[in-house]
Amino acid sequence: GENVEQHPSTLSVQEGDSAVIKCTYSDSASNYFPWYKQELGKGPQLIIDIRSNVGEKKDQRIAVTLNKTAKHFSLHITETQPEDSAVYFCAASRGGNQFYFGTGTSLTVIP
Amino acid sequence: GAGVSQTPSNKVTEKGKYVELRCDPISGHTALYWYRQSLGQGPEFLIYFQGTGAADDSGLPNDRFFAVRPEGSVSTLKIQRTERGDSAVYLCASSRTTDTQYFGPGTRLTVL
Repeated sequence: GENVEQHPSTLSVQEGDSAVIKCTYSDSASNYFPWYKQELGKGPQLIIDIRSNVGEKKDQRIAVTLNKTAKHFSLHITETQPEDSAVYFCAASRGGNQFYFGTGTSLTVIP
Repeated sequence: GAGVSQTPSNKVTEKGKYVELRCDPISGHTALYWYRQSLGQGPEFLIYFQGTGAADDSGLPNDRFFAVRPEGSVSTLKIQRTERGDSAVYLCASSRTTDTQYFGPGTRLTVL
């Protein structure tokens, strides 16, 4: 089955700096890659996703890049704000099936 | 519109008891997923429904776990003879298409 690895497990940045979280996957058939933000005591919230026919997608301060050849994808958050502090999860899927999640990155934005 | 809702938000039970966890998906979403999340980990897949039928139940850990979705909307996850290792947050997600899944807030199950 699919194996998703996520790094780093914890990340601290100064407010206004950028944050980058990286994930790798093993199944070349995976074609859908969402990113979720999870705040304490809440369910995961979708923040951005990318499909395998696209190399990059941007939504305001958030961007995701995908390298299918290397089987890795990354989340980029620019101009970080304290409210960006949360645990972020990447996931991979073949589409219509279960998501395979990474182990999460705890992001702390220091004011 | 309303998101995915799950009840109860917290459930404390004793080892050996039976529990039911409920999920109300977003209206019109035909696909429904159950995941289990242990502390410090990402969600792990349990079962996936397309309409009323279980399309994939390969993530259920053993036969103590069972889920139903009789009318293709609300789903119930049932756990028999609970064990302390079943303690986790149980998450439900729903999807209209075959991609984007929207998660509920989860039910935190504690087995004493």
